[in-house]
Amino acid sequence: QMQLVQSGPEVKKPGTSVKVSCKASGFTFSSSEIQWVRQARGQRLEWMGWIVVGSGTTNFAQKFQERVTITRDLATSTAYMELSSLTSEDTAVFYCAAGGSYSDFDYWGQGTLVTVSS
Amino acid sequence: EIVLTQSPATLSLSPGERATLSCRASQSVSAYLAWFQQKPGQAPRLLIYDVSNRATGIPARFSGSGSGTDFTLTISSLEPEDFAVYYCQHRSTWPLSWTFGQGTKVEIK
Repeated sequence: QMQLVQSGPEVKKPGTSVKVSCKASGFTFSSSEIQWVRQARGQRLEWMGWIVVGSGTTNFAQKFQERVTITRDLATSTAYMELSSLTSEDTAVFYCAAGGSYSDFDYWGQGTLVTVSS
Repeated sequence: EIVLTQSPATLSLSPGERATLSCRASQSVSAYLAWFQQKPGQAPRLLIYDVSNRATGIPARFSGSGSGTDFTLTISSLEPEDFAVYYCQHRSTWPLSWTFGQGTKVEIK
């Protein structure tokens, strides 16, 4: 059974960074692509970027390009999203998602709440 | 960048009624148009991919249609578990990126 399990909630101060993990199981991680999506409270879903796990190739939304890093660890089947220079606008739930037979977002992690507060 | 605009923002209906949700793109898009359902405190769930194809396990009461700039998600007869927020999504191939609409909330009248 395909599953994405994300790391727990974080509280960060403005100007710092956060790193969220997404552990995959039930599918061939090295053959997948992992997406990252941000959702502020009551707001729409925003695509942040993705990684082609096998090659490590990444692509980012222009809005986040300067601040986001997406990496992966093949040994542990885990993808990571690091967001720097946090502001209160980054208080949100961050989701990872993986493609499958139908779309690039067939499977989703449970979400990780990041709160940015001084 | 293609912008997806969903309407209405909120749809107030009773169980058993038909729901028609609209997603309009700022320019003509390819066949990659998907719909997701999101319930409070949960991750989104894929309902429809490539405009009109249901994902595994999605009931037949959900259907997608449209082309060009105008797309529709129809729920033929609302069940209690269908009250949620629905998002449309498009993939652009150049530059490679994904865009979501702002969502339509289907609430119990």
